[in-house]
Amino acid sequence: NAGVMQNPRHLVRRRGQEARLRCSPMKGHSHVYWYRQLPEEGLKFMVYLQKENIIDESGMPKERFSAEFPKEGPSILRIQQVVRGDSAAYFCASSATGGARETQYFGPGTRLLVL
Amino acid sequence: GEDVEQSLFLSVREGDSSVINCTYTDSSSTYLYWYKQEPGAGLQLLTYIFSNMDMKQDQRLTVLLNKKDKHLSLRIADTQTGDSAIYFCARTIYNTDKLIFGTGTRLQVFP
Repeated sequence: NAGVMQNPRHLVRRRGQEARLRCSPMKGHSHVYWYRQLPEEGLKFMVYLQKENIIDESGMPKERFSAEFPKEGPSILRIQQVVRGDSAAYFCASSATGGARETQYFGPGTRLLVL
Repeated sequence: GEDVEQSLFLSVREGDSSVINCTYTDSSSTYLYWYKQEPGAGLQLLTYIFSNMDMKQDQRLTVLLNKKDKHLSLRIADTQTGDSAIYFCARTIYNTDKLIFGTGTRLQVFP
């Protein structure tokens, strides 16, 4: 059973470009979470999605960031017009069902570098 | 508040026990987790404890929870060089799904 997969593992963008980060949850998981880890910091929650629905986006910046989890295919975290402060590791996690008792399993992360 | 605090560094000798501490402010925590992050890698779930438990043991790992003091600890027995990593405690909040992470403790094991 493959774990959570993320791609690309590393992404370099120039300021003003768009970044698209992909996450495929574990088989049988329909709940996806995105977290951001700034250098030398812990992970901060960004958004929680189920198939075709955003459940909690309380951690998403109001502008330039969006996320989706379509019926078919991976979850996408999209950052438009990237700035240097967006440089971070972005982790995706998945769980079988939602709720506080469900363990979240993490992917290897995408490390975004904005030049 | 949602703060979860950890000490930044811990250095131990191989074969000794390591104790990593975590404090939190919100008493509504339901589940508390310990994750391990090796350099350049994702987070590996080590263990977790329900908030109605005081202790959980899993091989070399022992988790202690003091609800009164809002203090969580992870003890690693017989620490090995392969245990060198950053350890994050995390908690969920009642009725939400997001994890609140601590700042991470960098464990360095020397021979």
